[in-house]
Amino acid sequence: DGGITQSPKYLFRKEGQNVTLSCEQNLNHDAMYWYRQDPGQGLRLIYYSQIVNDFQKGDIAEGYSVSREKKESFPLTVTSAQKNPTAFYLCASSTAGTNYEQYFGPGTRLTVT
Amino acid sequence: AQKITQTQPGMFVQEKEAVTLDCTYDTSDQSYGLFWYKQPSSGEMIFLIYQGSYDEQNATEGRYSLNFQKARKSANLVISASQLGDSAMYFCAMRGGSMDSNYQLIWGAGTKLIIKP
Repeated sequence: DGGITQSPKYLFRKEGQNVTLSCEQNLNHDAMYWYRQDPGQGLRLIYYSQIVNDFQKGDIAEGYSVSREKKESFPLTVTSAQKNPTAFYLCASSTAGTNYEQYFGPGTRLTVT
Repeated sequence: AQKITQTQPGMFVQEKEAVTLDCTYDTSDQSYGLFWYKQPSSGEMIFLIYQGSYDEQNATEGRYSLNFQKARKSANLVISASQLGDSAMYFCAMRGGSMDSNYQLIWGAGTKLIIKP
């Protein structure tokens, strides 16, 4: 089945530790995205990538880093510099172009204490 | 600046009734796209329907239709014959057509819809 996988579903970390969230897609999509969602709010774009080995900052990139070494994979690292990392993180992918919907993974709920 | 506004934080609707979820948008782009997504309690975002700014007809997908009023900059989602499984958060989003806004979706704050049996 084609789709997007994110692992793990729940993640717990101590403050000061970096943590990497996995996102893999087998939809052959060129574009991939990372969003953050806080309770009762909409999605905010962290980073996006339109092609392998290239990515751009979104609205809230500070404290996060990404890589895009393979078309299928777009891991997100939440660094210790992110002041409030506890949130729900959603990965998405889409065909390049403005008219195509984004397909989302199941999300990772990160809790940092 | 581009913006999406969803003015209904929450709605209660009786099962089998139709429901309209409001969405207004603001953009200076001539070409843009409007999307609606459903987010059940599990958290995954599910694409429902898309409307392009140049589409002459309102988009429809099964029980979902989009009431697109370009002059009023509104893109309301209509769900006909609501079901208990429709209970979820609903988000309106917009993608602009300019170089600066390309590939980025701007999201509304969402509407929580609860269907009563």
